[in-house]
Amino acid sequence: EAQVTQNPRYLITVTGKKLTVTCSQNMNHEYMSWYRQDPGLGLRQIYYSMNVEVTDKGDVPEGYKVSRKEKRNFPLILESPSPNQTSLYFCASSLKHQETQYFGPGTRLLVL
Amino acid sequence: AQSVTQLDSQVPVFEEAPVELRCNYSSSVSVYLFWYVQYPNQGLQLLLKYLSGSTLVKGINGFEAEFNKSQTSFHLRKPSVHISDTAEYFCAVIGTGFQKLVFGTGTRLLVSP
Repeated sequence: EAQVTQNPRYLITVTGKKLTVTCSQNMNHEYMSWYRQDPGLGLRQIYYSMNVEVTDKGDVPEGYKVSRKEKRNFPLILESPSPNQTSLYFCASSLKHQETQYFGPGTRLLVL
Repeated sequence: AQSVTQLDSQVPVFEEAPVELRCNYSSSVSVYLFWYVQYPNQGLQLLLKYLSGSTLVKGINGFEAEFNKSQTSFHLRKPSVHISDTAEYFCAVIGTGFQKLVFGTGTRLLVSP
């Protein structure tokens, strides 16, 4: 089944404790992206990747890191999480950047 | 750069009534437009998209949208809604030559019996 998977789905952590949210797609898509969803703000892009080893900042990259060592994986790293990073995070992928994006199920993060 | 405005944060409607969810965009270049739907506790899925060609676009679940270049709008419509259409709807735009999809803030459609 073609899909985007994210892990974990739910995470509670404390300020400053490094964490990684994994994202994987099995559709051989070139483009991958991370978004955060907050009430009243819609989805805002954190980082995106046009292809392997090619990443770029989105609209809200502060406090996040990403890497794209393989085509299928695009992990999101929070080196020192803070409470303002409490949010719902979505990974998405598409064949090309201007085509339909397929979203993962989301990761709900709470930073205490 | 591009931007998207969804003026209605919430639209209540009765079952079997028609509905229109408004979306306006701003861009200095040609655009591709999308509507995504998010059902409760789920990720987003594509409803429909406009890339080029006919300005009236039909999507899944009986939804359609019309691209109006002069009014820079891409409103979503359904002639008769069901309870199961209760969800949040996002309009999104990407300009040709740009690499980032920009989302609106979403419209929550509440369908009651």
